Amino acid sequence: GAGVSQTPSNKVTEKGKYVELRCDPISGHTALYWYRQSLGQGPEFLIYFQGTGAADDSGLPNDRFFAVRPEGSVSTLKIQRTERGDSAVYLCASSRQGVAGELFFGEGSRLTVL
Amino acid sequence: AQSVTQLDSHVSVSEGTPVLLRCNYSSSYSPSLFWYVQHPNKGLQLLLKYTSAATLVKGINGFEAEFKKSETSFHLTKPSAHMSDAAEYFCVVSDRGSGNTGKLIFGQGTTLQVKP
Repeated sequence: GAGVSQTPSNKVTEKGKYVELRCDPISGHTALYWYRQSLGQGPEFLIYFQGTGAADDSGLPNDRFFAVRPEGSVSTLKIQRTERGDSAVYLCASSRQGVAGELFFGEGSRLTVL
Repeated sequence: AQSVTQLDSHVSVSEGTPVLLRCNYSSSYSPSLFWYVQHPNKGLQLLLKYTSAATLVKGINGFEAEFKKSETSFHLTKPSAHMSDAAEYFCVVSDRGSGNTGKLIFGQGTTLQVKP
């Protein structure tokens, strides 16, 4: 499709497990972003990629969270030793380089940690 | 530090009446400001953006917002609400001065309810 695609749309896991969330951005978009949205809150920035490199990872809450974008397209957000507080909707967005703020968001991956 | 404050968590209007969603911002630099909308089970969508051109910005679906530096405000308005406008609206700031175009800072959101 033409939009940002995120999989899975829903993920239920147990505390302590490892989780991977995938994002497929719009073709040709060089910038890719991960945000996290908790219930009743606005999205919070996690990490921003320009091409293959993480240009800003200041939003990652701790070292259990890691993201990669090895070929400059698809990105994977990895969460180790999940905790109940990690439960949220994880949003991915992409944009064309140089177009400030015009992010195109996916529908998100809802993570529930039991 | 940059931040936005949405003054109302919930706004309810009748169909056909005006909409006003209020947002105040704080920024160390000349800000870029945006409004995004989130319909249930849909991705966030850009409504409009301000990047230091005209202070009155027109967006999609009849929405507009006015940048007022003296009031540090960027309120979203629409003359006549439609049922399809019911959604969550986010005021967003991006710090252009830092050179990072991706670190958008979202407000807490305003839920717009439109009554028939």
